[in-house]
Amino acid sequence: KAGVTQTPRYLIKTRGQQVTLSCSPISGHRSVSWYQQTPGQGLQFLFEYFSETQRNKGNFPGRFSGRQFSNSRSEMNVSTLELGDSALYLCASSRGDSDPSYEQYFGPGTRLTVT
Amino acid sequence: SQKIEQNSEALNIQEGKTATLTCNYTNYSPAYLQWYRQDPGRGPVFLLLIRENEKEKRKERLKVTFDTTLKQSLFHITASQPADSATYLCALDPSAGGTSYGKLTFGQGTILTVHP
Repeated sequence: KAGVTQTPRYLIKTRGQQVTLSCSPISGHRSVSWYQQTPGQGLQFLFEYFSETQRNKGNFPGRFSGRQFSNSRSEMNVSTLELGDSALYLCASSRGDSDPSYEQYFGPGTRLTVT
Repeated sequence: SQKIEQNSEALNIQEGKTATLTCNYTNYSPAYLQWYRQDPGRGPVFLLLIRENEKEKRKERLKVTFDTTLKQSLFHITASQPADSATYLCALDPSAGGTSYGKLTFGQGTILTVHP
């Protein structure tokens, strides 16, 4: 079974620009979660999608948004980039149904650098 | 306030010894706790899950305990090897009763280095 894939793997953007990151979950997984990882704050939950609906949201500003498509693939968008948005953005997929404790399978991440 | 803390930022041990990592939490009532391993430049990899009604879980050289009275989980790697060197993260569902699909709160991680 193929793992979670994320594109692009590396990205350099300028302050004020916007960026879209993509995530393809493991086949059959319907839940996709997004996390931001920085040295100072660690791994922080952004949002989770299941069957094209956002079920959970973390404490991030509205500049961070996401969506999920009917094939479970997901994208996240960050508008008006700030230097502090530089981070590793991780996507994780899980079965997402019946039992919330299902383990999450993480992708390799997208390393975003904002200059 | 709610906190999940992994007591040691870094742990250095000799090959063959048992590594013990600690995860403490405050103002959570997790229904379960998960442990992940993360290597540099990679996403975390799931290792073990332990539920609130379980005292201990084992998988090969790994053992996890969960004490809801102490609000603590211990993660043990026995007969450690240099290949076990990585960052280990504990994570819990921040909702009461563990009903928060897809949302995990992570500790800061412990960097384990196993010296040959």
